[in-house]
Amino acid sequence: DADVTQTPRNRITKTGKRIMLECSQTKGHDRMYWYRQDPGLGLRLIYYSFDVKDINKGEISDGYSVSRQAQAKFSLSLESAIPNQTALYFCATSDLEGDGHEQFFGPGTRLTVL
Amino acid sequence: DQQVKQNSPSLSVQEGRISILNCDYTNSMFDYFLWYKKYPAEGPTFLISISSIKDKNEDGRFTVFLNKSAKHLSLHIVPSQPGDSAVYFCAASEYNNNDMRFGAGTRLTVKP
Repeated sequence: DADVTQTPRNRITKTGKRIMLECSQTKGHDRMYWYRQDPGLGLRLIYYSFDVKDINKGEISDGYSVSRQAQAKFSLSLESAIPNQTALYFCATSDLEGDGHEQFFGPGTRLTVL
Repeated sequence: DQQVKQNSPSLSVQEGRISILNCDYTNSMFDYFLWYKKYPAEGPTFLISISSIKDKNEDGRFTVFLNKSAKHLSLHIVPSQPGDSAVYFCAASEYNNNDMRFGAGTRLTVKP
């Protein structure tokens, strides 16, 4: 079984719709992250969370919100989707122990906004 | 403002030869560097890392070299194998800071 799972894996939606992407992990890690990947830009950090009560904006948080419902769950919401939010979205986790730099990624959610 | 740059979008090498993937960064505060490998339809997976107190780290066929004065790091894979064909991302972060910055990736193709 995968340690970091993302649902849905693919989603097509229309401009203006509210979308939620979900991430669950069984690794027992405290830190969770949301990234988006665009061609030619690599991965960019949207939000990250060090625990249930700690949420931090990343490099590109505008247009997104997150919720850390439990240690194992971290969801990303697009309140009103727009076409330039079409991208591949990854959730990741890391351990609080050690330096925490190594991150473990889910398989990704491909989101298309028409 | 891309603080981590991988200027080669693709690289093709013959099986058994050396693959060298390059990465440059602009933020002098970065002190931890990682390489991730990504296969299609999967998330990136950690490959190897190096901290700024070192200039080389080796793990089997994979070696990462760091040149702090040039703000440059490279990943050497030797010998290259067809299974190494993937997209490789360079990433960097400051000490105790999880705001990691990634390069755009280099697609490596290893030909049998």
